[in-house]
Amino acid sequence: DIQMTQSPSTLSASVGDRVTITCRASQSISKWLAWYQQKPGRGPTFLIFDASTLESGVPSRFSGGGSGTEFTLTISGLQPDDFATYYCQQYNNYPWTFGQGTKVDIK
Amino acid sequence: QVHLVQSGAEVKKPGASVKVSCMPSGYTFTAYFIHWVRQAPGQGLEWMGWVNPHSGDTNYAQKFQGRVTMTRDTSINTAHMELTRLGFGDTAVYFCAKGGSCDTTSCRPFQYWGQGTLVIVSS
Repeated sequence: DIQMTQSPSTLSASVGDRVTITCRASQSISKWLAWYQQKPGRGPTFLIFDASTLESGVPSRFSGGGSGTEFTLTISGLQPDDFATYYCQQYNNYPWTFGQGTKVDIK
Repeated sequence: QVHLVQSGAEVKKPGASVKVSCMPSGYTFTAYFIHWVRQAPGQGLEWMGWVNPHSGDTNYAQKFQGRVTMTRDTSINTAHMELTRLGFGDTAVYFCAKGGSCDTTSCRPFQYWGQGTLVIVSS
């Protein structure tokens, strides 16, 4: 199975900050990576696919990058609604696997 | 507007089985895979498998092979996930998710998610 490792596990930030989350795959997954946002008690929300393509309706302050084994999710200008947990997920090989999550909380 | 509504919470004893339902709306049910993902309390997300509502074909994560069955009923546009021989480690929220369009150049893996169904395994 492909292992996905996110860093940091927790990130404390303020409204307006630019934050970056890193996701590393244990082997190359080309561009086959997605990002999700999850708030407590709710199902995840789909943000980005194919490493860098923003899903329709997702604010442009979210951006994704990378390929191969190293990927990033950047939020430019953190908003109050963005405090949540973020997960990366690879879909290059079955079983599809997720990172352990990065919690973005208020500094 | 796409919605996936899941069945309610369940409490089961060890060794029992549970069947969770997922009722999508807002799109053609048979056009997209339904995936199942679970999340143990305070933990991350774990993909369990998918069912193709058009054909009934399935693909399960090896971890769940022999214990999970994913089915669909096209007459009522509903997908089901049954997990047998439950253990305490199966206590989790179980999500269904609609797959998006996927081809050799692009793929939306889990485009919309249900609200989750809490399954508690307790003696």
